[in-house]
Amino acid sequence: GENVEQHPSTLSVQEGDSAVIKCTYSDSASNYFPWYKQELGKRPQLIIDIRSNVGEKKDQRIAVTLNKTAKHFSLHITETQPEDSAVYFCAAGTASKLTFGTGTRLQVTL
Amino acid sequence: GAVVSQHPSWVICKSGTSVKIECRSLDFQATTMFWYRQFPKQSLMLMATSNEGSKATYEQGVEKDKFLINHASLTLSTLTVTSAHPEDSSFYICSARGTSAYEQYFGPGTRLTVT
Repeated sequence: GENVEQHPSTLSVQEGDSAVIKCTYSDSASNYFPWYKQELGKRPQLIIDIRSNVGEKKDQRIAVTLNKTAKHFSLHITETQPEDSAVYFCAAGTASKLTFGTGTRLQVTL
Repeated sequence: GAVVSQHPSWVICKSGTSVKIECRSLDFQATTMFWYRQFPKQSLMLMATSNEGSKATYEQGVEKDKFLINHASLTLSTLTVTSAHPEDSSFYICSARGTSAYEQYFGPGTRLTVT
């Protein structure tokens, strides 16, 4: 089955700086790579996703890149704000099943 | 759009009793619903996948007779934890996916505490 590794487990950045979270996956059949943001005690919220036929996708301050050859994908958040503080999960899989990474706790400090 | 509700948001039950959790897609038809379990400060672990009108597919290690899943309509799936024990205490979250879509939208979760 799919195995997803996510790094770092915690990340602290100053407001305005950029944050990068990286994930690797193992199953070459995976073709869908979403990123979720989860605040404490709340539901995971889809913030951006990418499919395997695309190398990069951007939505305002958030971007995701995918390297299918190396089987890794990354989340980039620019101009971080305190409200970006949360746990971020990457996932890899297909429409039928997703495997989630272990999560990155992002702390944006003033 | 793509709103998923879950009920109850929290429940406390005694060991040996059963608990039913409902997951509803409010503004779209969910051909597939997923049930996850999340322990504190840990990732989401897929328990089972249910397709409307079909039997659920359980992940390895998940007891299908303990975690009963029903997906009777395109907007409702239920998870029943039977004969609950303290080790079943966890945060249970459902997600739903529409027809011809990849995106999964999550419910708010149900915190189950078994005493």
